[in-house]
Amino acid sequence: GNSVTQMEGPVTLSEEAFLTINCTYTATGYPSLFWYVQYPGEGLQLLLKATKADDKGSNKGFEATYRKETTSFHLEKGSVQVSDSAVYFCALSDPNRDDKIIFGKGTRLHILP
Amino acid sequence: NAGVTQTPKFRVLKTGQSMTLLCAQDMNHEYMYWYRQDPGMGLRLIHYSVGEGTTAKGEVPDGYNVSRLKKQNFLLGLESAAPSQTSVYFCASSSHQAQGYEQYFGPGTRLTVT
Repeated sequence: GNSVTQMEGPVTLSEEAFLTINCTYTATGYPSLFWYVQYPGEGLQLLLKATKADDKGSNKGFEATYRKETTSFHLEKGSVQVSDSAVYFCALSDPNRDDKIIFGKGTRLHILP
Repeated sequence: NAGVTQTPKFRVLKTGQSMTLLCAQDMNHEYMYWYRQDPGMGLRLIHYSVGEGTTAKGEVPDGYNVSRLKKQNFLLGLESAAPSQTSVYFCASSSHQAQGYEQYFGPGTRLTVT
């Protein structure tokens, strides 16, 4: 079945460091891909998305490119801030299952000042 | 515009007690979902609804029931709570399916069953 695998955390970086969180997926058909972010004590919110191969999603300095050839959707940011500390979830929507979203297990990110 | 709201925010139950979690959305979304979030497990779908009066099972439906009597509300019921149901519960909603739609999440309900 469809699935999402993302790197396990926690990931700890210093402020202004470069961030990569790896995400790969398994899917039949043509899913849409998402990154959601969960700040402490809050629900998830959409960070960015891409709906077809080679699309790049971007928001708040974060970027991810839908790579069908490598089935990947890695999250990157050039210079992280303390306020980026959160849990990040990679996800895909399954067009064969009522477009339900399948989430990865999440990667906790700590940014040190 | 409140988005997705959940009631209550916290609750402690004894084993065998029942309760209902309420989710409300004011965005006129057709689809609504209930998830549970447990450490190391990510989010798992409990039940979902594709419209008023409809419900369907998700990944982990056992021990839960749901109802969608009104389009804006989605209720999650625990008839006989068990310690394994200790978790954080999130409700979400989305507009009618189109590729790349977004789910909007509520703030969560933290439930402890002793």
